[in-house]
Amino acid sequence: DQQVKQNSPSLSVQEGRISILNCDYTNSMFDYFLWYKKYPAEGPTFLISISSIKDKNEDGRFTVFLNKSAKHLSLHIVPSQPGDSAVYFCAASAGNTNAGKSTFGDGTTLTVKP
Amino acid sequence: DVKVTQSSRYLVKRTGEKVFLECVQDMDHENMFWYRQDPGLGLRLIYFSYDVKMKEKGDIPEGYSVSREKKERFSLILESASTNQTSMYLCASTFSGATNEKLFFGSGTQLSVL
Repeated sequence: DQQVKQNSPSLSVQEGRISILNCDYTNSMFDYFLWYKKYPAEGPTFLISISSIKDKNEDGRFTVFLNKSAKHLSLHIVPSQPGDSAVYFCAASAGNTNAGKSTFGDGTTLTVKP
Repeated sequence: DVKVTQSSRYLVKRTGEKVFLECVQDMDHENMFWYRQDPGLGLRLIYFSYDVKMKEKGDIPEGYSVSREKKERFSLILESASTNQTSMYLCASTFSGATNEKLFFGSGTQLSVL
């Protein structure tokens, strides 16, 4: 059973608009969440993270929201830019788990149209 | 900036061949990881190492082995390649493996087993 799900395989938005990427999880022990961005022919790179003690974390145009009761997190990109077009992975980890043992979602491919 | 280098971008091998995938990081990280990325399945952990000569199985170790003789280098070995091992392989590293650490990824090796 997949513990981290990104139910939208793809998302297309217009430049300047908001992009909202969603991630759901089932394991209530997860307490740290990260988003990674992956361009074609490159490895994923860290984008933003959030601890379960918070419900929001912001870094420039990127904001991650965490709703623990719904076991849901979302990544907001405002305003979206064509350079944001990439695959976005959500990852979750629990307790003292090694960071590399995080559980990853399948990824959502974001396309930002000029 | 941390650099994680994977020796090959593309590899084509035949069924039954022994395959070596090499990964080198340049930031003295303790932890190194091998993942495979498949459509619809996200990133799945194959093996990881938290120190020289130390290794632990990840979620899908069957058919793979690893070697870490030096801190900066982590090798993934397919003893007898099979077609179901055709995949994108990603190497990553972190300093201590703490839950809230971000992973640094290489650019990946696309392996095709014919």
